[in-house]
Amino acid sequence: AQSVTQLDSHVSVSEGTPVLLRCNYSSSYSPSLFWYVQHPNKGLQLLLKYTSAATLVKGINGFEAEFKKSETSFHLTKPSAHMSDAAEYFCVVSDRGGSTLGRLYFGRGTQLTVWP
Amino acid sequence: NAGVTQTPKFRVLKTGQSMTLLCAQDMNHEYMYWYRQDPGMGLRLIHYSVGEGTTAKGEVPDGYNVSRLKKQNFLLGLESAAPSQTSVYFCASRSNGGAYGYTFGSGTRLTVV
Repeated sequence: AQSVTQLDSHVSVSEGTPVLLRCNYSSSYSPSLFWYVQHPNKGLQLLLKYTSAATLVKGINGFEAEFKKSETSFHLTKPSAHMSDAAEYFCVVSDRGGSTLGRLYFGRGTQLTVWP
Repeated sequence: NAGVTQTPKFRVLKTGQSMTLLCAQDMNHEYMYWYRQDPGMGLRLIHYSVGEGTTAKGEVPDGYNVSRLKKQNFLLGLESAAPSQTSVYFCASRSNGGAYGYTFGSGTRLTVV
């Protein structure tokens, strides 16, 4: 079975401090993993994706994530938060095999608040 | 601009009314999906299609029907709307042969009163 657990529903940081959004996944096959961001009343924007190449994935706006198979984790980080990073973030897993090939499974989301 | 277009963007329905949400993509994608987004639940898959003329149920299909008569269009129907169907609906599409490369529409905010 495929599933995603985002370990924090809310994260608050001060501007200029590091961001860590945690995600654990479960997958029957070699997974593809994604982080999406959603700003208020907007659609979904892809931040980054892991598809079995380098385990450290760099995305847009200074975000990166590391795929750790032994820990089944795909945590999202950013060295220095900016006010514009305030949004909801979704960790997503997709199988690359089996009858559910390509379907996306979303975590419940982490709301990031950035204080000035 | 190429992408996924959803219409309408907003709608208010009365309980028991019916409506159809339209998703159109111009990227010649094989796969299309309908999701609903509710607070604290992430996005959940309602129905999907792996090609013209085919549809399949996702996680939360009850109360919805879909059709894919043309490759570029994926319609989501509510036959008798209920307040529990108040949600934001997202359509997505992707090409064949990969588990990435999704394109999402901008969403439809539906309120059932």
